[in-house]
Order: sequence, then structure tokens, then C-alpha cells
Amino acid sequence: KNQVEQSPQSLIILEGKNCTLQCNYTVSPFSNLRWYKQDTGRGPVSLTIMTFSENTKSNGRYTATLDADTKQSSLHITASQLSDSASYICVVSDRGSTLGRLYFGRGTQLTVWP
Amino acid sequence: EADIYQTPRYLVIGTGKKITLECSQTMGHDKMYWYQQDPGMELHLIHYSYGVNSTEKGDLSSESTVSRIRTEHFPLTLESARPSHTSQYLCASSEGGTQYNEQFFGPGTRLTVL
Repeated sequence: KNQVEQSPQSLIILEGKNCTLQCNYTVSPFSNLRWYKQDTGRGPVSLTIMTFSENTKSNGRYTATLDADTKQSSLHITASQLSDSASYICVVSDRGSTLGRLYFGRGTQLTVWP
Repeated sequence: EADIYQTPRYLVIGTGKKITLECSQTMGHDKMYWYQQDPGMELHLIHYSYGVNSTEKGDLSSESTVSRIRTEHFPLTLESARPSHTSQYLCASSEGGTQYNEQFFGPGTRLTVL
């Protein structure tokens, strides 16, 4: 069964600190992995996308890594801001369908305190 | 920000009522999707469409129905709402083609059935 597991479930950090969120997946055949940010009461917004051949991708203060061999990904947030408080969702797409079927993790709820 | 809209944003109704959740996108995307999301849980695909006059059921069984008469419009209907339908409903769209195409999400409709 294709699955996406994220850890930790929730995280509280102080403004200005760094943090790293983890994602493990079993989706096969693998196509790509995205990290989405979902603010409370809003739809998810894509932060980064990585394919099989990419092992790191940055978007401002967000840096995602991918190890396709161990099927692990991480999202590193540098110098956190209050606006980073949100749920961060790891989403994996398989290569087996033209639909672009997505497999979602449950997300890590990040809270940044002043 | 993606040009995909959902109305209403919040809806509280009584059991047995018929409701329609609206979703529109102005990006000309062929593919559209409906997801259901409960608090702290992953998104589940309940319906999708490859284009006009195409509708398919997703991974999660749902009593709702959808239609796709126009490219930009993908409404979801519940003939008789029940408390078990209480959830957040997210609409998304993507360009046709491959699984690399990003899905853009609307802001969601939070439905509460009393």
C-alpha cells in the first residue's frame, strides 16, 4: 500500500530558529515529491518539487532534500518567522498513472512563537 | 496565488438538506479534483475529472456527486446531507499531460451538518 508518513506530528519553535521536518514514503513507482504549506482554513500551496534525480531544492528559506534510495525527504526551514506557522504536507506522486495521483501525508503542524 | 475559487467558504446546514459546493478555475486546466480533509488527517481524493463530460470516483467512497459541463466549473452536490459529511472540502486543478503538473488548490469549504 502506498503511504506517506511524516514526523513530528507537531512542532513548536521560537522565531528565528531553524527546524527540520521529515517525510518517509513507500509510494512506488516514484515520480516526484512535493512539500506543500497549508495555512489554517486555506488550501495547500506548493513550496518545492523534486524528481528522482534531484536531491535538494530550495525556495527562499525552505530547503527540501530527497534520498530516493531510502525513500526519505526532509524540509528545512531557516530563520523561522511567525508567518511560517502552518501545516507542512509531504505529497508523493506515482509514475503509474497519467492522472498524477497524489499520496498525502498527514502533515506536521508547525507553530512559531515570538 | 492560484486562480481557483470555492464558495461558500463556510456552510452550516441541517440534516437532509441538498447542497452544492461550487468550484471554479480561470487557468483553463483540464484536470480538476475534489478532496475531503478532516482535522489533522491527510487529504483524500473523492472525485476527479479529466475534462468536460468526464467524472470519476476517487479513492475515498463518497455519497456526493460531481459534474463537469464547462472546463472552468466543477461543482460537488450532496443530495441529502448528514452529520457524517461534516468536513473540509478542497477543490484543485492541474494542466493535462503528466504527473509532474502541479495541482493548485482552492481555499476550501468547511461544511458542518447538524
